[in-house]
Amino acid sequence: DGGITQSPKYLFRKEGQNVTLSCEQNLNHDAMYWYRQDPGQGLRLIYYSQIVNDFQKGDIAEGYSVSREKKESFPLTVTSAQKNPTAFYLCASSATGRTEAFFGQGTRLTVV
Amino acid sequence: AQSVAQPEDQVNVAEGNPLTVKCTYSVSGNPYLFWYVQYPNRGLQFLLKYITGDNLVKGSYGFEAEFNKSQTSFHLKKPSALVSDSALYFCAVRDDGQGGKLIFGQGTELSVKP
Repeated sequence: DGGITQSPKYLFRKEGQNVTLSCEQNLNHDAMYWYRQDPGQGLRLIYYSQIVNDFQKGDIAEGYSVSREKKESFPLTVTSAQKNPTAFYLCASSATGRTEAFFGQGTRLTVV
Repeated sequence: AQSVAQPEDQVNVAEGNPLTVKCTYSVSGNPYLFWYVQYPNRGLQFLLKYITGDNLVKGSYGFEAEFNKSQTSFHLKKPSALVSDSALYFCAVRDDGQGGKLIFGQGTELSVKP
């Protein structure tokens, strides 16, 4: 099956800890994205990558980091510097051009 | 800057009635517009897109959208609503200037009652 896989589905973190969210795609897409979703605020872009070994900050990058060492993978690390990390995180990918983006099933992160 | 607005936080319709979920956009250049649906605790599912061509775009699950350039709108429609259509709907515009990222509206909660 082609698609985007995010893991884990649920993640609990203690304050002060870093955690890494996984995102893998087998669609051969060049571009990958991380969004954060909070109730009533829609989706906000954290980071995006258009090509391997290159990525750009989105609108709310503070407290997050990413890497793009392989085309298929775009992991997101939520660092202890992120003040309010509890949210639903969505990974997406798209082909080059005016095409739609495909989304994973999301990871719900809760700080305890 | 590119943006989209969904003026209604919630839309309520009765099953079998037509539904409309509104979206307006603001872009510099040609608009590339999308509709997505989200069920609770799930990712977004693509419904349809407007790139160019016919102003009436048909998509998945019987949904369609009407592109209106003069009104800068891209409203989502369905002739006969189902209870299973109840979900959160997002309108989005693609920003080619920033890696093709999608800029989303705030979302509209659609509730279809039997």
